[in-house]
Amino acid sequence: EAGVVQSPRYKIIEKKQPVAFWCNPISGHNTLYWYRQNLGQGPELLIRYENEEAVDDSQLPKDRFSAERLKGVDSTLKIQPAELGDSAVYLCASSLGRGAPREYFGPGTRLTVL
Amino acid sequence: GENVEQHPSTLSVQEGDSAVIKCTYSDSASNYFPWYKQELGKRPQLIIDIRSNVGEKKDQRIAVTLNKTAKHFSLHITETQPEDSAVYFCAASMDFGNEKLTFGTGTRLTIIP
Repeated sequence: EAGVVQSPRYKIIEKKQPVAFWCNPISGHNTLYWYRQNLGQGPELLIRYENEEAVDDSQLPKDRFSAERLKGVDSTLKIQPAELGDSAVYLCASSLGRGAPREYFGPGTRLTVL
Repeated sequence: GENVEQHPSTLSVQEGDSAVIKCTYSDSASNYFPWYKQELGKRPQLIIDIRSNVGEKKDQRIAVTLNKTAKHFSLHITETQPEDSAVYFCAASMDFGNEKLTFGTGTRLTIIP
């Protein structure tokens, strides 16, 4: 079984530029999560999807971040414009859904904003 | 919201000895507690998890204990090996309702050969 796939693995951009990350969850996993992990810290949830519905986006900075999961499978997270403080690893995770909370993480995208 | 505290932040253990990492949580409604291992530059990997209806769970050299009354849970690694060196994160969530993992701040475990 393939794991969670993310691309790109690394991205370097200048501040004020846009950037997008892509995630393909494990097949059959209804719940998809985007986390941000700053250096030396644990992951922090940005947004959680149940199928195509964003059910928790309370931690997503909506002025510059957006996400979508149009067909309830893969997802895109976008930042526009990027700021220096956005440098972090962006992790995607998936789980089967309600009653099955085990989350499996992708390899992450390491974003560096210069 | 949920708050998870994790101690110690760093831990060095002689190879073959045991390591213990402790976490406390604040929300009594949390009922699912996973532990993740993260090697440098790699993804967090689930190593063991426990639900609140169980007090202890063991998988080979790894065990987790949960005290619901005190709202704390611990990871125990016995017969440590160099490949156990990594950062370990505890987390807490609910498996129904607000299924959002809240992570601890991590413990950097170093196994000394």
